[in-house]
Amino acid sequence: GQQVMQIPQYQHVQEGEDFTTYCNSSTTLSNIQWYKQRPGGHPVFLIQLVKSGEVKKQKRLTFQFGEAKKNSSLHITATQTTDVGTYFCVRTSGTYKYIFGTGTRLKVLA
Amino acid sequence: GAGVSQSPSNKVTEKGKDVELRCDPISGHTALYWYRQRLGQGLEFLIYFQGNSAPDKSGLPSDRFSAERTGESVSTLTIQRTQQEDSAVYLCASNPSSDTQYFGPGTRLTVL
Repeated sequence: GQQVMQIPQYQHVQEGEDFTTYCNSSTTLSNIQWYKQRPGGHPVFLIQLVKSGEVKKQKRLTFQFGEAKKNSSLHITATQTTDVGTYFCVRTSGTYKYIFGTGTRLKVLA
Repeated sequence: GAGVSQSPSNKVTEKGKDVELRCDPISGHTALYWYRQRLGQGLEFLIYFQGNSAPDKSGLPSDRFSAERTGESVSTLTIQRTQQEDSAVYLCASNPSSDTQYFGPGTRLTVL
């Protein structure tokens, strides 16, 4: 399966600023998942999107799945230092295989 | 246990030696995965177990890598004749019938 590309690769923001990472695929996705990995930690599941155009919110985080199901975004409003980490989008391939995106590393400057 | 556990947490070995990494998944999780993550990189799929069977070993980088799972529980990843390029964090994840993967803390392998 093809890896999903994420942009940007790195992002430094001032605390309080917004942040968005984008995930793009050349093929239609059955679903998309998002994981967060803190520095030195392991990936932790955030959310799964399944439906075309789906939007889900978790407090300051907004996740969106594109209408064509080929892209997704994660937007964080008013970043905090606790948001630091790498955010991965993950596509599934077949019934069991998970393919991680390239990741976006977020740094929040206090 | 409450979550996925891995041991050892850190392993330093000399080039050419064999290493064995262990993963204890969440009880009842039938699916188990091994990934490799090099410093500053994303996760690279290595192998997937459904029960004790490994239907997909396509991610194993070479024949020096092997893995097994017993009792639909513990899994071990073995790397023979380690090379410096094998240095990475090796992550194990398990999941039940849902799509969520639960990751262990990883084993950081350093090959000198």
